[in-house]
Order: sequence, then C-alpha cells, then structure tokens
Amino acid sequence: GAGVSQSPRYKVAKRGQDVALRCDPISGHVSLFWYQQALGQGPEFLTYFQNEAQLDKSGLPSDRFFAERPEGSVSTLKIQRTQQEDSAVYLCASSSRDRTSSGNTIYFGEGSWLTVV
Amino acid sequence: GNSVTQMEGPVTLSEEAFLTINCTYTATGYPSLFWYVQYPGEGLQLLLKATKADDKGSNKGFEATYRKETTSFHLEKGSVQVSDSAVYFCALRSNTGNQFYFGTGTSLTVIP
Repeated sequence: GAGVSQSPRYKVAKRGQDVALRCDPISGHVSLFWYQQALGQGPEFLTYFQNEAQLDKSGLPSDRFFAERPEGSVSTLKIQRTQQEDSAVYLCASSSRDRTSSGNTIYFGEGSWLTVV
Repeated sequence: GNSVTQMEGPVTLSEEAFLTINCTYTATGYPSLFWYVQYPGEGLQLLLKATKADDKGSNKGFEATYRKETTSFHLEKGSVQVSDSAVYFCALRSNTGNQFYFGTGTSLTVIP
C-alpha cells in the first residue's frame, strides 16, 4: 500500500478486556516496529520484526503484551487483560531494509489510540 | 546507552519568527539523527535526517546540522508559518541496534 495502515484507529476497552491492534506495513518492507506513545511523551520502542522473525522484544512492558507477524507482512499487537496504564497510542512503523544501515528511514502509521476504562 | 534530550515546550511564536528547537543526544557507536513532525491527529512524519557528522539535513525550510563535537542536532527555520504548528520529535538510531530513540517532543504553535 501507499503507507502504513493501522486499525482500529480508536479503541475503548474495559479493564480486563483483551485487544488486538493490526498493522499493514508498506508493501515489501522487511522491517516492522511497534512503539507505544503515552500522552505528552515521545514514542517508546516495544518490539521489532525482520520479516516474520521477532528479533527484539525487549520493550514489551509485560507478558500481557504479545506481537506476531506470521507471514512477514501484516502484524498484530495483542494486549491481554488490559489495564488503565495501557492507555496510549500504539504506533506501527516499517522500513525497507534490515538493521544494516542506521540511516534507513522508518515510516509510521497514524496509530491506534487505546483508552482503557 | 542511547538517549535524546530536546527542549521542553510549548513554544509559541509569531508568524515569520525564527525557530530553534534544541536537541542533544547520547549514543553508542555512530548514530543517524532524525527530526520527525506530528500534526494534530496524524502519525509521525519524517522531516529531515543526517547520517554522519557535519551532515546537514533540510526540508521545507527546516534545517539541522549533525554536530558530533557538541552531540547536538538543533532544528532551525528562518521564518515559521501557521502551518508549521505541530509537535516536533528529535530521534536517533544507533548503528548497533534496531531501535529509534525519541525525545519527548516539543509542541510549536505559530500565531498569525
């Protein structure tokens, strides 16, 4: 596609509910990232995929957070038993190349705004 | 470790004023440096980047120079417009890892 597409754009979840956030990266992009952006803060790294392999998940805040990219394109971020502190914008980004060049630009989607009540 | 510190906002300027948003960084290895902009209700968009020391990134009248000696990448624009109102994020990507590290963002409002 022309850009990174995320859905849903807005999600209100009751505390304890499970949510799934979808990311459609730019077609052909190898690298895919998930970031969490709290209100008034910069994005914080969650996890990174190269094709279908999850190479770095060091930023996932707890074992309630799980991400997958089974066919190396679309990715899903799942949050189980949501808590109020999970309320944030979840940003997906993709890049055309792997980690070999730090100059590679990553392109962000518009984000999924999650509010846990 | 890797981190980015940028000046706190909010910043309010009159149209045609000069803009500087300070950004300094700490990094392992030789990072690339970026400025991203976020307009209300939208995702992050790349504004400009520089991949090595003394490089100057520029776009839409914005400029930033990669200064290794001062570990800085300050964003400047000579004459801001109302349409520049947004949140600006400084970021780095180390050549030893996959992550982008972002500053906390600086909100800019330009008034006519």
